[in-house]
Amino acid sequence: NAGVTQTPKFQVLKTGQSMTLQCAQDMNHNSMYWYRQDPGMGLRLIYYSASEGTTDKGEVPNGYNVSRLNKREFSLRLESAAPSQTSVCFCASRREQTNSPLHFGNGTRLTVT
Amino acid sequence: GNSVTQMEGPVTLSEEAFLTINCTYTATGYPSLFWYVQYPGEGLQLLLKATKADDKGSNKGFEATYRKETTSFHLEKGSVQVSDSAVYFCALSDYTGNQFYFGTGTSLTVIP
Repeated sequence: NAGVTQTPKFQVLKTGQSMTLQCAQDMNHNSMYWYRQDPGMGLRLIYYSASEGTTDKGEVPNGYNVSRLNKREFSLRLESAAPSQTSVCFCASRREQTNSPLHFGNGTRLTVT
Repeated sequence: GNSVTQMEGPVTLSEEAFLTINCTYTATGYPSLFWYVQYPGEGLQLLLKATKADDKGSNKGFEATYRKETTSFHLEKGSVQVSDSAVYFCALSDYTGNQFYFGTGTSLTVIP
């Protein structure tokens, strides 16, 4: 049972480069999320998708875009990477039921130089 | 608005010591409360949760009680082990269940 799978695990980009982080879940969850983790700041929501075909901005969406490709997959794109985007990015999913917890992937360590 | 405040770390304890990590929250409505644990190089894993006032969540010897009167959800364990060394996050989900708010995390190191 894979749960939430993210690729790649590590990525180094130069300023201005673009790339897409992939996320897939096999738990038939409706809701999917992208968070970033910065030292001393906990997790902050970048974007989320409450269901297939919908996406919404979170607390820190600037510089990112997302695509909910189907129920399983939710990708995060950096169009023009900036050093301020250096962080660990986590994908998560949850059932639609109230009180359901988030299930996290293992993260992508992103470094922008 | 919604927010979570948890005690700053790092926390260092000897094996078999008692652990408390404080967490308080601000929320509208009736949130659900969670503790997550993050081991090095991994994602966050659910440790325990409580969905209404006076509920006690428990797992792997850890406990936390949802206290509405003090808006708190403190994590406790009676006897920590070296394997409990990790970062612990307190979180709440709002009344819709769609939005989660995390504390800044507390790093715990347990020494033999």
